[in-house]
Amino acid sequence: DSGVTQTPKHLITATGQRVTLRCSPRSGDLSVYWYQQSLDQGLQFLIQYYNGEERAKGNILERFSAQQFPDLHSELNLSSLELGDSALYFCASSGGAFGNEQFFGPGTRLTVL
Amino acid sequence: EDKVVQSPLSLVVHEGDTVTLNCSYEVTNFRSLLWYKQEKKAPTFLFMLTSSGIEKKSGRLSSILDKKELSSILNITATQTGDSAIYLCAVEVFNAGNMLTFGGGTRLMVKP
Repeated sequence: DSGVTQTPKHLITATGQRVTLRCSPRSGDLSVYWYQQSLDQGLQFLIQYYNGEERAKGNILERFSAQQFPDLHSELNLSSLELGDSALYFCASSGGAFGNEQFFGPGTRLTVL
Repeated sequence: EDKVVQSPLSLVVHEGDTVTLNCSYEVTNFRSLLWYKQEKKAPTFLFMLTSSGIEKKSGRLSSILDKKELSSILNITATQTGDSAIYLCAVEVFNAGNMLTFGGGTRLMVKP
């Protein structure tokens, strides 16, 4: 158990809908990261927040957004869902803004029908 | 564009064998290379290698970073069925944050 928690574990929804994934980092960690893992794309970085501020951005679609709250938990919002958004979404956390190993949560499996 | 390539794609060995997994990278402003093990769900952290720490060992697992060759290897000795997993290599670069670029992974199956 990495200490990073994610909810829900599974999510099944329809195209065009909007969902919110939630992540709580390890105690004391200030950085939260979101990754998407699909069969054809592998593990892809989406976005990083450090102490409430956006720190780095990957190939995150405009339909996706994230935020980190004052208690350091983070939410990833996915809207106008498409079939291709079906994937495992991981949250990871680390102590600092850079140069630290990242610890991954158990993931949320999103299925878009 | 930063690139991380792992080989082989998959590997089948028998318990007790020694395996070597490879990771090569082409990135600008390299900071560190990380190895993760992914079984059913979340990747679990194994090692982090940097310019100041190019060799790491933990039990039967060890890893070396070759900054000249832009590559790393992960060795597993005396393999066990519990080592069966996907092994992921990731590279961090110097930029505004701590994003990791992952390779495609090596799927290792250890047969009894």
